Amino acid sequence: QVQLQESGPGLVKPSETLSLTCNVSGDSISNYYWTWIRQPPGRGLEWIGYVHSIGSTNYNPSLKNRVTISLDTSKTQFSLKLTSVTAADTAVYYCVREGLRPYNWFDPWGQGILVTVSS
Amino acid sequence: DIAMTQSPDSLAVSLGERATINCKSSQSVLFSSNNKNYLAWYQQKPGQPPKLLIYWASTRQSGVPDRFSGSGSGTDFTLTISSLRAEDVAVYYCQQHYSIPRTFGQGTKVEIK
Repeated sequence: QVQLQESGPGLVKPSETLSLTCNVSGDSISNYYWTWIRQPPGRGLEWIGYVHSIGSTNYNPSLKNRVTISLDTSKTQFSLKLTSVTAADTAVYYCVREGLRPYNWFDPWGQGILVTVSS
Repeated sequence: DIAMTQSPDSLAVSLGERATINCKSSQSVLFSSNNKNYLAWYQQKPGQPPKLLIYWASTRQSGVPDRFSGSGSGTDFTLTISSLRAEDVAVYYCQQHYSIPRTFGQGTKVEIK
């Protein structure tokens, strides 16, 4: 059974780059979209983007200029980089698997990691 | 972007009673080539990640109790909990997986009356 686990710093300074990694275990990384979703404290869910197992990406236009999602197939990991962060980027960040059409729902989810942007 | 709007924002239901949550999309999420609605429902309990309950608008994920059901097509969808149990207290989100960017409803908080 596939499991996802986020890791990275829990505190990032304003204007710096947020970097997170998701470790995938229990299944192949092939033929899926590997996705990041975030949730500001007490608020709803925002899709950040995904990297396909062949390396193509797609991002939320609201974040497109600041976000990079990449895949390391040798380590069965994928990563998120978000540049020029502000307090508005404070959120719990989830790594999630999305299947290929028509099976393209979000399952499973990692436990999430809280990232706070503060000086 | 497809906007997803849920109603109500919160509801309180007595144990054993029915809870109904509505979700409306700003565009149809029905894929004509396979006649499937690309609409999913998630349950999020405090301190936990969301959990997939239903996909294709009405198909329960494996292991989800049958008191949870989804219905609707096109732009209007409903999640029903037929007989509320204490462990169903959570926030419920709808989400369209029809187009990019993927979008969620704002969430509906279900509590015990």
